[in-house]
Amino acid sequence: GQQVQQSPASLVLQEGENAELQCNFSSTATQLQWFYQSPGGSLVSLLSNPSGTKHTGRLTSTTVTKERRSSLHISSSQTTDSGTYLCAIDRGGRALIFGTGTTVSVSP
Amino acid sequence: AQTIHQWPVAEIKAVGSPLSLGCTIKGKSSPNLYWYWQATGGTLQQLFYSITVGQVESVVQLNLSASRPKDDQFILSTEKLLLSHSGFYLCAWSLNWGANQDTQYFGPGTRLLVL
Repeated sequence: GQQVQQSPASLVLQEGENAELQCNFSSTATQLQWFYQSPGGSLVSLLSNPSGTKHTGRLTSTTVTKERRSSLHISSSQTTDSGTYLCAIDRGGRALIFGTGTTVSVSP
Repeated sequence: AQTIHQWPVAEIKAVGSPLSLGCTIKGKSSPNLYWYWQATGGTLQQLFYSITVGQVESVVQLNLSASRPKDDQFILSTEKLLLSHSGFYLCAWSLNWGANQDTQYFGPGTRLLVL
C-alpha cells in the first residue's frame, strides 16, 4: 500500500484562513520533508522536519516520529499559497518516497 | 548563486524513439544529483541519484537510464520510449547526502508526451 498518505486530498480556503495538512507514513523515517509544487509543476522544498516542531514564515511543521505522522500548518493563507503540498520520507536514506499531495486553493 | 537548468523544456516524441533529457547545475561543486518523474495526476517518484561523477544509482526501474558525465551534468535517457514514459521530469541537487537537514533544489522540469 501507499507508504505516505496525505489528507485531505484537496482544500479550499478563503484568503486569511488557516489550514492544517496531514501526512501519515507507514515506515520509520529519518528524513521528512514538505514540498510545495506550483500549478506549473516546479517544486520547492519548504521544511525538513524529521521530528519536533519547525517554523518558517507562515508555515509550521510538527512531526511525531513515534506516531509516524507530520502536519503542516499554514497560517493566514494567501492566494499565492495555492498549489500542491507534498510530504516525503526517506527510503533508507537513499531516496525519497512522496505522498500524493494536498491541493490547496486559496480564493481572494 | 547556484542555478539549475533543464533541457528541453518540453518534448513530444513517438513511441520507440530515443530520448535524452539534460540537467546542469552551476555554482556548486560536487552536488548530489537526482532525477524524479511524475505521471500526469500521479505521485512524484525518485528515479535515480548520483553522489559523484560516473556513479549513478537506480531507485525505480522504468526502462530509463541515467549518467553523470561531468560533475555538473546529469543525463536521463532511453533508446526506446514507451507511452508510460509520458509525464513531468524533474532534476534536483543537494549538498548534504542523507542528512536530516538536507534540502533539495529543483529545476523547472521537462514535460514529455509520448504518442
